[in-house]
Amino acid sequence: SYELTQPPSVSVSPGQTATITCSGERLGYRFTNWYQQKTGQPPMVIIYEDGVRPSGIPARFSASSFGNTATLTIAGTPPTDEAIYFCQVWDSSTAVFGGGTKLTVL
Amino acid sequence: GHLVESGGGLVRPGGSLRLSCADSGFTLTAEWMHWVRQVPGKTLVWVSRINVDETTRTYADSVKGRFTISRDNARRTVDLQMSSLTVDDTAVYYCVREYCSGASCYFDLWGQGTLVTVSS
Repeated sequence: SYELTQPPSVSVSPGQTATITCSGERLGYRFTNWYQQKTGQPPMVIIYEDGVRPSGIPARFSASSFGNTATLTIAGTPPTDEAIYFCQVWDSSTAVFGGGTKLTVL
Repeated sequence: GHLVESGGGLVRPGGSLRLSCADSGFTLTAEWMHWVRQVPGKTLVWVSRINVDETTRTYADSVKGRFTISRDNARRTVDLQMSSLTVDDTAVYYCVREYCSGASCYFDLWGQGTLVTVSS
């Protein structure tokens, strides 16, 4: 079965740029989606199709994918972006999630 | 659209539970509806999906043969019947809508989740 690997945690200072990676075999050949989950809330899509932001998602969120790695970038990270971020792809019509990355803003 | 799950609770190993997801808008005319679970503090795990006319149902290997997904488009509900539950099924269960834009599909609407605890 297909697997996605994310770093368990990333720290960033307020106002700086946060980068979260997601790795999988030939990941660049699949579309990667990214979800943000704040404490006590369900996940929310912030990026789909590798780098498209749904309506209402701030422009500070961007993403790209190439080779075996997809990357989520948050520019000028505010404290309110502290959350867990998951990447997700489809494998034989089933959804596969990465292990999640806890973003700490301090 | 607004999804609301119900039916979670405490159940003993080997027991059964039926989860239900109700739609307050027009969400459940969506082609595909899914259940995704999450052990608190852990990652998300896809469980099952069903298409709009119930002709295709797919399950994760870990629940195949024990869980059954169904939907009632007239009542705008999606259910997950769970049986032969084990402690490994303990999780928050989310009802999720799949949305497709062109060639890309993603989960665009999530319920708040319902907690299932399997314990003796």
